[in-house]
Amino acid sequence: GENVEQHPSTLSVQEGDSAVIKCTYSDSASNYFPWYKQELGKRPQLIIDIRSNVGEKKDQRIAVTLNKTAKHFSLHITETQPEDSAVYFCAATTNTGNQFYFGTGTSLTVIP
Amino acid sequence: NAGVTQTPKFRVLKTGQSMTLLCAQDMNHEYMYWYRQDPGMGLRLIHYSVGEGTTAKGEVPDGYNVSRLKKQNFLLGLESAAPSQTSVYFCASSYPIGGQPQHFGDGTRLSIL
Repeated sequence: GENVEQHPSTLSVQEGDSAVIKCTYSDSASNYFPWYKQELGKRPQLIIDIRSNVGEKKDQRIAVTLNKTAKHFSLHITETQPEDSAVYFCAATTNTGNQFYFGTGTSLTVIP
Repeated sequence: NAGVTQTPKFRVLKTGQSMTLLCAQDMNHEYMYWYRQDPGMGLRLIHYSVGEGTTAKGEVPDGYNVSRLKKQNFLLGLESAAPSQTSVYFCASSYPIGGQPQHFGDGTRLSIL
């Protein structure tokens, strides 16, 4: 089955700096990669996703890049703000699969 | 439109007791999932369902049972609760996978004493 690895497990940045979280996957058939943000005590919420026919996608301060050849994808947050502090999860799945495979999460702290 | 609703939100059980967690979704999603989330271990899939009347095991199914009698509901049962089942349980639903995200409920915080 698919194996998704996520790094780093914790990340601290100064407010205004950029944050990058990286994930690798093992199944070359995976073609959909969502990112979720989970604030303390809350549900995971989708913040951005990317499909394998796209190399990069941006939504305001958030961007995701995908390298299919290397089987890795990354979340980029620019101009970080304290409200970006949360746990971020990456995931991968295939067109015909029944399951999402999640990374173990990155705890991001933005220091004011 | 409530999305995914989980009940109860909190529960404390004694070892050996049984209980059922209810997940309801109003988005007409075919797929539904139960995860458990423990500190430092991310989301681990317990069971899932790809349609009414069907269920399948995930990564950590032992000690749990599920039922999907109606499309909108997915029940997670603990027959004999153990302290190792202390966790936060999340339900999620989605359209059939093919580039469709999961929508999560607010979670159930379960403590087994």
